[in-house]
Amino acid sequence: QQQVKQSPQSLIVQKGGISIINCAYENTAFDYFPWYQQFPGKGPALLIAIRPDVSEKKEGRFTISFNKSAKQFSLHIMDSQPGDSATYFCAASRVGNQGGKLIFGQGTELSVKP
Amino acid sequence: NAGVTQTPKFQVLKTGQSMTLQCAQDMNHEYMSWYRQDPGMGLRLIHYSVGAGITDQGEVPNGYNVSRSTTEDFPLRLLSAAPSQTSVYFCASSYFGTAYTFGSGTRLTVV
Repeated sequence: QQQVKQSPQSLIVQKGGISIINCAYENTAFDYFPWYQQFPGKGPALLIAIRPDVSEKKEGRFTISFNKSAKQFSLHIMDSQPGDSATYFCAASRVGNQGGKLIFGQGTELSVKP
Repeated sequence: NAGVTQTPKFQVLKTGQSMTLQCAQDMNHEYMSWYRQDPGMGLRLIHYSVGAGITDQGEVPNGYNVSRSTTEDFPLRLLSAAPSQTSVYFCASSYFGTAYTFGSGTRLTVV
């Protein structure tokens, strides 16, 4: 059972364009939704995260949009750059004493063409 | 401040051999986890721990054992390696279940 479903599997965007990656989750107990960025040969690195009490969070060119009723959240990368080419993972978990299980989506391979 | 350190970086095992993947963190994080990464499958949780002496199973625990005797260390043991365990393994740690920091990974091949 895939608790976090991510799409698309791969994405090609022109430089300066907007990259959009979507995720859906099943467990309504999840209360922490991060996005991770991974370059080849490296471990994933936290990019941005959101809690369900807000609908949007922006950090620089990266924005998370969160829809609690639809159990969906998405990552928007504005003004995409070739250096953004990487694999992106969404994830979900419960924090605090009920937490510990960070569950990932399948990943999206983003390629930004110059 | 080294963060999360995984050793070894590469390993080749024969089917049936056992080995331990080491993971250590120096950030005094209570939460630690092990993941495996396979093409098209994302990162799948193997085992996790919310503190010394406390461990629990993740999504794909079969064939793996863990223990957590100290806050700093969380080793992953393969008791009898199988080709299906060929993967890249990542260890991660977190203060309270958010902002996990990942190690650089161990690439394991079982032949």
